[in-house]
Amino acid sequence: EVLLTQSPPTLSLSPGERATLSCRASHITSYLAWYQHRPGQSPRLLIYDTSNRAAGIPARFSGSGSGTDFTLTISSLEPEDFAVYYCHQRTNWPLSISFGQGTKLQIK
Amino acid sequence: EVRLLESGGGLVQPGGSLRLSCEVFGYNFSAYAMNWVRQAPGKGLEWVSVINAGGDKTFHALSVRGRFSVSRDNSKNTVYLQMTGLRVDDAGLYFCVKDKYHEGPYFFDSWGQGTRVIVSS
Repeated sequence: EVLLTQSPPTLSLSPGERATLSCRASHITSYLAWYQHRPGQSPRLLIYDTSNRAAGIPARFSGSGSGTDFTLTISSLEPEDFAVYYCHQRTNWPLSISFGQGTKLQIK
Repeated sequence: EVRLLESGGGLVQPGGSLRLSCEVFGYNFSAYAMNWVRQAPGKGLEWVSVINAGGDKTFHALSVRGRFSVSRDNSKNTVYLQMTGLRVDDAGLYFCVKDKYHEGPYFFDSWGQGTRVIVSS
């Protein structure tokens, strides 16, 4: 099983600042996604295949990385961006699906 | 507009069974794999099960393998999760989730609001 470790667990920033969230996998993975989960709402796909923005996702969200180290960057935080963010991976052989434990992005 | 509407959650005793349903609207249901993802109270997300677009391939997380089964009826735009041998740690909010591709699980691009499962005596 591929374990995903997200850091930091909590990130305190102000609107307008840049956010950098990390996701480290225990084994190499090729399929990596990021989701945003606001309280009381369903999770929303932000980034898939490491760096592709999902439909309707603002350009301030970007993903990067490869192998075992991945990053979600929010270039300039908007009030609605404060939420929990999960990374998620798939590896093919053996088939393994996992989520990270989440990073809570909170207002400073 | 894509909508996923789950139902069937509730209170069940340990060892009991429950069937969740998810009716889908707003896209070609038969073209995409469907998943179930759950969230235990105060915890993160856990992928549970997937069924491919055609309904002939399924795969489950190790934690539910042998106890849960997933099926779909493409004529009714509905996917099901049959849960048996329920345990206290199966409790949580169960999300019905559309996959981005016809074979899954890959990426989860639309989510329902969830249906809550409580396992308690």
